[in-house]
Amino acid sequence: EIVLTQSPGTLSLSPGERATLSCRASQSISSTYLVWFQQKPGQAPRLLIYGASFRATGIPDRFSGSGSGTDFTLTISRLEPEDFAVYYCQQYATSLRTFGQGTKLEIK
Amino acid sequence: EVQLVESGGGLVKPGGSLRLSCAASGFTFSFSTMDWVRQAPGKGLEWVSSITSRSSNIYYADSVRGRFTISRDNAKNSLYLQMNSLRVEDTAVYYCARGGVYLDWGQGTLVTVSS
Repeated sequence: EIVLTQSPGTLSLSPGERATLSCRASQSISSTYLVWFQQKPGQAPRLLIYGASFRATGIPDRFSGSGSGTDFTLTISRLEPEDFAVYYCQQYATSLRTFGQGTKLEIK
Repeated sequence: EVQLVESGGGLVKPGGSLRLSCAASGFTFSFSTMDWVRQAPGKGLEWVSSITSRSSNIYYADSVRGRFTISRDNAKNSLYLQMNSLRVEDTAVYYCARGGVYLDWGQGTLVTVSS
């Protein structure tokens, strides 16, 4: 099983600041199979990034993804109030998909 | 518009059984791999099971293997999760999601396992 470790667990920032979220895999995975989700309380997750760096339809360009191998990053360039949520990475390079434990992005 | 609507959740005692359903519309269900994902209260997301379009390949998380059974009926555009030998730790919101990048999710159905 591929373990995904996200850091930090909680990130406290102010609107307008830049957020950098990390996702580290226990073994190398193809970037094709790395995705990022945003989840707000009481809602289903929403796909943000697929293929490690491609924005899903309707996702603002302040969201960007990067990385390869075992290290992947989600960056939010200028935080808007609606961006404060929990973010998860997920891999589906193997038949047993796994999620990271999540990073909570909270308002400072 | 893609819609995934889960149903069948509820309160069940430890050791009991429950069957979840997911009704799909707005896309070609019979061509799509489908998954179940769960989220315990206040916790993160956990992948549960996947089934390919013609049920040729089925996968389970270690935590549910041998107790849960995923299935589908392409004629009815429906996905199912039969959950047996339920444990307190199976308490969660269960989501169905369209496979691949999980572009589409249902709203979830709550399963509570408690005596």
